[in-house]
Amino acid sequence: SAVISQKPSRDICQRGTSLTIQCQVDSQVTMMFWYRQQPGQSLTLIATANQGSEATYESGFVIDKFPISRPNLTFSTLTVSNMSPEDSSIYLCSVEDTTGWSYNEQFFGPGTRLTVL
Amino acid sequence: QKEVEQNSGPLSVPEGAIASLNCTYSDRGSQSFFWYRQYSGKSPELIMSIYSNGDKEDGRFTAQLNKASQYVSLLIRDSQPSDSATYLCAVRSGAGSYQLTFGKGTKLSVIP
Repeated sequence: SAVISQKPSRDICQRGTSLTIQCQVDSQVTMMFWYRQQPGQSLTLIATANQGSEATYESGFVIDKFPISRPNLTFSTLTVSNMSPEDSSIYLCSVEDTTGWSYNEQFFGPGTRLTVL
Repeated sequence: QKEVEQNSGPLSVPEGAIASLNCTYSDRGSQSFFWYRQYSGKSPELIMSIYSNGDKEDGRFTAQLNKASQYVSLLIRDSQPSDSATYLCAVRSGAGSYQLTFGKGTKLSVIP
């Protein structure tokens, strides 16, 4: 399977600021996703990052708050904008290669643990 | 509203026993089913996927699927302390959807 990395691994941020999280894969993948896992909770899909087009957001998540980029088949970023303490969470990217090695299976990166003060 | 339900646990089993983890889902059109293991402070790791009714075995792990009952389970044989983790059930609908709906997870503790 592919090696997935995320940067930063953790951060502590002030209210009102923004943080951009990077997700890098060591091979090309067709699908990349961003999830949030709030303390003690399960995973919630934020959006699907589409290469060459706008991200597709799930209900309750908007582009102004969580802008996403997907410039190529190995990289994506998620920005958490105008942060509040309620944004404190673990943010995870996942990948799925619908054309080959991980058809119909998603694999997760190590996550970014964000604390907003 | 698609829902995936799991007992939150904790589920405690002695070392060497069989651990049985259960999951029910609400969307009858669901096509694909996954079990992820998540150690504390780590990201989820895919351990099993199952798509057809019946059993699927991989080493000490067996996934069981019953679409008529909307039920999927994971059996861990010869449980080891290293199996202590939270196990997440994830379900994907059909019709070209890539979205996974996760349960809240069952915390498993294997007692030496």
